[in-house]
Amino acid sequence: QVQLVQSGTEVKKPGSSVKVSCKASGGTFSNSAITWVRQAPGQGLEWMGGLIPIFGTTDYAQKFQGRVTITTDESTSTAYMELSSLRSEDTAIYYCAGGSYRHPDSWGQGTLVTVSS
Amino acid sequence: EIVLTQSPGTLSLSPGERATLSCRASQSVSSSYLAWYQQKPGQAPRLLIYGASSRATGIPDRFSGSGSGTDFTLTISRLEPEDFAVYYCQQSGISPYSFGQGTKLEIK
Repeated sequence: QVQLVQSGTEVKKPGSSVKVSCKASGGTFSNSAITWVRQAPGQGLEWMGGLIPIFGTTDYAQKFQGRVTITTDESTSTAYMELSSLRSEDTAIYYCAGGSYRHPDSWGQGTLVTVSS
Repeated sequence: EIVLTQSPGTLSLSPGERATLSCRASQSVSSSYLAWYQQKPGQAPRLLIYGASSRATGIPDRFSGSGSGTDFTLTISRLEPEDFAVYYCQQSGISPYSFGQGTKLEIK
């Protein structure tokens, strides 16, 4: 089972962008899909989108279309989620998850992104 | 977008009791694409059940899932102290792969 380790806490200004990384060990993304899910403070889980490296395809929730980009770097077994035009409502913990694309069983520890002026 | 509604919002039970959590979809979901996750405070979600009824690796057999179409159930046969957490259902049949709002299982 792949282990996922995410980058650290981010504090961003409204209108800026954030790029969160997710490094895999014990496996590679070439055999594993990557999904990103976020959780606002005290709220539930929200699926943002995912990537299936073997097919090179991405799928984003319409809510985030145009603002989110999910990529992977196979050479470093690292996935990235970049979210642009940040607003206060984007303050959340962002999780990467791997394994099965439809029901990921390996999750990163989460990255807190705070958007504040 | 498929909306998943979980009930109850909060379930108060004692260790040893049976827990029944419900997840209702706004349109039919293939059983292959219904999963349940457990989340404890400060932790990432943990996959419990996929394909509506298959336990993920390492999940105790007191957890079971059932259902089809628009109605799905997660059952915990005998609650252990470590089972008190928030539970989410998720459908991955139609993008976006939506989650329910969660059921909080608390100690009575």
